[in-house]
Amino acid sequence: GDSVTQTEGLVTVTEGLPVKLNCTYQTTYLTIAFFWYVQYLNEAPQVLLKSSTDNKRTEHQGFHATLHKSSSSFHLQKSSAQLSDSALYYCALNQGGSAKLIFGEGTKLTVSS
Amino acid sequence: DAGVTQTPRHEVAEKGQTIILKCEPVSGHNDLFWYRQTKIQGLELLSYFRSKSLMEDGGAFKDRFKAEMLNSSFSTLKIQPTEPKDSAVYLCASSDWSAETLYFGSGTRLTVL
Repeated sequence: GDSVTQTEGLVTVTEGLPVKLNCTYQTTYLTIAFFWYVQYLNEAPQVLLKSSTDNKRTEHQGFHATLHKSSSSFHLQKSSAQLSDSALYYCALNQGGSAKLIFGEGTKLTVSS
Repeated sequence: DAGVTQTPRHEVAEKGQTIILKCEPVSGHNDLFWYRQTKIQGLELLSYFRSKSLMEDGGAFKDRFKAEMLNSSFSTLKIQPTEPKDSAVYLCASSDWSAETLYFGSGTRLTVL
């Protein structure tokens, strides 16, 4: 079946340094969309980024991601991490036809000063 | 507009008890999802409703988990009987026909002793 893989369960980075969260996927669907959701402590998950266009960079709140179908990846990056970025990040796949998402395992990002 | 409302925020149950979690989706949304969130498994889909019809019932959760959508603005998730391994955060989410973004509630943290 379709799946999303986030290889790092925990990422720790110093404030001001770049950060990259990895996301790869397996799917048999042609019409797909990808999301990054962020969940701050004691809050609900919320959408951070969305993309369905191959090789197009998507940006929001200083984060960016590019869907690469050739490598089945949708990595999340930020050039300068902030303390407020500390949260749980989920990569998710939408197969089309509904809002149902297949989530990765999640990556906890901790930004330290 | 009010977001997704989940009650209670916390629930403590003894092994073998029956518990019912409640969810009110965003007004006008037609898709409703129940997810279970754990540190090990991440976000797992329990149930998916479209216009009150059950579209998907997570195979691994069928025997003791039952989600219902009594009307377009209210859903319940019953766990019967509870087991300690059910301890997790249960998230409800909804979406509209555009099916692009899931809106999550803050979740119910269930502890089974």
